[in-house]
Order: sequence, then structure tokens, then C-alpha cells
Amino acid sequence: NAGVTQTPKFQVLKTGQSMTLQCAQDMNHEYMSWYRQDPGMGLRLIHYSVGAGITDQGEVPNGYNVSRSTTEDFPLRLLSAAPSQTSVYFCASSYDRGSRGTGELFFGEGSRLTVL
Amino acid sequence: KQEVTQIPAALSVPEGENLVLNCSFTDSAIYNLQWFRQDPGKGLTSLLLIQSSQREQTSGRLNASLDKSSGRSTLYIAASQPGDSATYLCAAAGTGGFKTIFGAGTRLFVKA
Repeated sequence: NAGVTQTPKFQVLKTGQSMTLQCAQDMNHEYMSWYRQDPGMGLRLIHYSVGAGITDQGEVPNGYNVSRSTTEDFPLRLLSAAPSQTSVYFCASSYDRGSRGTGELFFGEGSRLTVL
Repeated sequence: KQEVTQIPAALSVPEGENLVLNCSFTDSAIYNLQWFRQDPGKGLTSLLLIQSSQREQTSGRLNASLDKSSGRSTLYIAASQPGDSATYLCAAAGTGGFKTIFGAGTRLFVKA
């Protein structure tokens, strides 16, 4: 059981380049989310999804796009990277309201992104 | 809009001391509250989860309490050890268990 898998673990981009951070989970979780963490700060919610085809904005959505075509995958897209998007990105998943259990969040190991 | 605040931002204690970390949230309609530990440069480790219907949870030397009416949770660490040095984050999940919002964390240093 791999849990939540994020790729890549490290990435360096130039300003204006685009890229996609991948997130996959094998726990049949309906809820998935993306966070960013800047130095000395907690995690801030970027986007989240409560099921395939359903996404919504979090606290800091600007500059990021998401889609959810399958239950397992929730990619995060940066269309035109900016230095302000230099951060560590975490993907998380949990159950939904239908089979939610405790709603415990499970996290990936993070993706460290540097935008020059 | 849910806001989560953690006090203090940093804490340094001698080994063996009992300590309390505080977490407050503005919207009491939470689904659950989780406490995490994060070591420098690492990911998040789940410590305790308290569901909205519960008052506290315990795991080893850790005890977390939840008071929804006052919008507060506390993490009690007994007999602290140098290995407890880390950043502790609390996170409140909204209705349905979605849209979990984090506090900025408390950086704990336990001196040997």
C-alpha cells in the first residue's frame, strides 16, 4: 500500500515555464487536496476536490489549476511559474462524507519547487 | 472563513518538563481537529485526531483535548524529551471533513 505518492520530489523552473505536480493515492479516498508550505509557516490550502470531476478553491488558489478526472489522481498545474511560487507542495487525501470514517488526512512526502 | 492560530510560535523547555501547546479556531463547526509533527525538511506525521463529538484523545505521552464551544484545542506533552523537538501543527477540518485549515505551528526545542 503506497498511500499518497507525489512526483517529482524536486524541481527547478525558470520564470514563465509551466509544469505539473503529480499526486496519486491508492486508498480509494474521495477527498484530495494540495497545500503549499513556505519557510517558517504552516500549510496553506491551494485547491481541493471532493470527488472525480469536482474541485474548489482553497486559501491561495491564484496561479494554480487543478482537475480531477479519476478518483486516484489530482495533478496541480502551474501555467506560468513565478518566483513567488517557490515553495514545498504537499498533497493530502482522506475519505468523503459517504464513507468518511474519521476524516484523517494522509500526506505525501512533498515536492520542493524552486522558480528562478 | 476558518482561521487557525497557534500559540506560542516557539517554545524552549528543559528535558523532562510537561508542556502545553495551544490551538484556537474561529469557526466551531469543525468536523475534526488533527495534530501533526513536522521535523525540519520533512513531511507531516499525524499524532492525534479528535472528532467533533469527542473531547480528547491520548497516545503515549501525548494528550489532545478539544473544546468546540470556546474554539480551542490543546496538545499536552508529558515528560518531554530531546527527540520531541520539532514543529507541531494543528489543523481543523470543515463540515464534511473537507477544507482542512492549518495553523502556522509551534516550534518546540527540548534541551537535554
